[in-house]
Parts: sequence; structure tokens; C-alpha cells
Amino acid sequence: GAVVSQHPSRVICKSGTSVKIECRSLDFQATTMFWYRQFPKQSLMLMATSNEGSKATYEQGVEKDKFLINHASLTLSTLTVTSAHPEDSSFYICSARRVSAETQYFGPGTRLLVL
Amino acid sequence: DAKTTQPPSMDCAEGRAANLPCNHSTISGNEYVYWYRQIHSQGPQYIIHGLKNNETNEMASLIITEDRKSSTLILPHATLRDTAVYYCIVRVGDNDMRFGAGTRLTVKP
Repeated sequence: GAVVSQHPSRVICKSGTSVKIECRSLDFQATTMFWYRQFPKQSLMLMATSNEGSKATYEQGVEKDKFLINHASLTLSTLTVTSAHPEDSSFYICSARRVSAETQYFGPGTRLLVL
Repeated sequence: DAKTTQPPSMDCAEGRAANLPCNHSTISGNEYVYWYRQIHSQGPQYIIHGLKNNETNEMASLIITEDRKSSTLILPHATLRDTAVYYCIVRVGDNDMRFGAGTRLTVKP
């Protein structure tokens, strides 16, 4: 199966700082990448969809200026949480879909704790 | 994309088959049924998907009813490592994956 990695796996930061999370498709090219957020005991919530070389599409209620998404290549997308606050603490998961395919493959997730 | 309904939780004895149901009564003709699972604190893992024919791979079997209004994921010989939340998702084409609450499967020794 296709492999998607995320870095870092967990991060602790102070309130007000920015945190960048990387998502890489290791053995395939991904035209589309997705970012999800998951709070404890809840399901995954889609935050945004990004296509390589174009602006991300954000779900309703997700602030695009707070969650900056860049998809500069077919194997890398980044999510930057700007001016993080404790309520941004969550499990962030990316997924990628290869060119001309329908199945999405998910990364292992990044656990963010904002103090 | 059509909505799905799954039982919130199920138990299964180790070594026995686990049969996880999913209702998708509003599914349309071009929507696929996908199954993913999420083991605690990990990203979702793809299991299997299908359109109308039954499918089988090394992980599981997917049985889709003839009217496509429901499906069943079968883990033939459940192990303790199969304990996870299982998500049934109906999706058409390039649409993104949207997750419901899923079924929490607990495999017991």
C-alpha cells in the first residue's frame, strides 16, 4: 500500500507560537492532500483540501489565516498552525490521494499540545 | 455523498469472524463503499472498498447487498490487534473522505 508520513509525530508549544506539520507521500505522487483534525473521543473532521500548486479549499468554520496550508510539490504538503492557542490542541492527520486514483491513504497523525 | 449508519460498538471473540454492518440506504449508483479503521492514536488505515460486487483482500471481505443499501465488512479470524474503530464511508469519485462516528470493535480473548 501507499505510505504517507507526518512530521513531527508530536509537538508541544507555547501559546502564541506557530507550528508547522509536514505531510509526505513517500512512494507515490499525490495531486490532492487532505488535512483532518480529531479531538479526543471524536471522529475525524475534514479541515481542508489542497491540490498541488493551487490554493487550499477550507471547510466551513476553519480559519484559513490560522491554518496555513501549502502543497508545493506532488509529495509534500504542510499545515502551519499560526498563533496557536490551547484550544488548537488536537490530533492532526493528513491524507493523500495519488494521481488517477480514488483511495486516500492516511498519515500516522501529529499530536499537538499547546500550553 | 450518502450518509452511513453503523452500530456504535461491537464485541467479537478472538479467532471468530467479525461482521461489521453499515447502512447506506441513500447511496447512489456511482458511489463506492469504503472501509477504514483507526487503531488508538494512529491514522486511519485503508481496508477495502467496492461498488457493487463483493470484494476480498488479505485483510477482509466486503459484502454489498444487491440493492446496495447496506454492506458488511468481514474480518474472517479476528485477533486482538483488530480492536479499533471501523469507519464505513460512501463516496463518489474524487470527493473527499468524510468520517462518521464508526463502530468501535473490541476483540476479546
